[in-house]
Amino acid sequence: KNEVEQSPQNLTAQEGEFITINCSYSVGISALHWLQQHPGGGIVSLFMLSSGKKKHGRLIATINIQEKHSSLHITASHPRDSAVYICAVANAGGTSYGKLTFGQGTILTVHP
Amino acid sequence: DTEVTQTPKHLVMGMTNKKSLKCEQHMGHRAMYWYKQKAKKPPELMFVYSYEKLSINESVPSRFSPECPNSSLLNLHLHALQPEDSALYLCASSQDGWDTQYFGPGTRLTVL
Repeated sequence: KNEVEQSPQNLTAQEGEFITINCSYSVGISALHWLQQHPGGGIVSLFMLSSGKKKHGRLIATINIQEKHSSLHITASHPRDSAVYICAVANAGGTSYGKLTFGQGTILTVHP
Repeated sequence: DTEVTQTPKHLVMGMTNKKSLKCEQHMGHRAMYWYKQKAKKPPELMFVYSYEKLSINESVPSRFSPECPNSSLLNLHLHALQPEDSALYLCASSQDGWDTQYFGPGTRLTVL
């Protein structure tokens, strides 16, 4: 079992729909990251969370440390949101300095 | 300036060639990273530099040789690569190893 599991692996939506991507992890973490990667492109960091909830524009990220679970929500989805969304955790502990463990990614396609 | 730059964007090399990838950031970040990403997979960490010193080597073959000449620059020297080393090579930086990572656009490497 991977240390970081994302669901769903693939997600198709119509423009305007509310989208949720889930991430579960099995290790102690110092922070959880949500990343976005467009086809052929570099990676953009969307959020870094260690507790609670963060919002940026139409994106909302939440984390429940006790349940080892995080969600990324996209409100009023748009075709330009089509991308791969990756959850990554920073393991707790000094030997893990700088090291992220990645989920397999969720491929999101939003149709007009 | 919140940009990480990488050169070249594309590189084609033979198995006997020696080439280098370059990464630069001017954000004053003290941690820098090299990742390898194969198609449809999440990034795999290769190396972490902290304060210009190599702090993590994820058992990367010696045909990949990293170098951090100063706090803004990170190189990856390539020698005697194999076709299976063809991938997108991503550089990233962060304020420290526990902070948000900023990714460059990557170098698409093809080994013939």
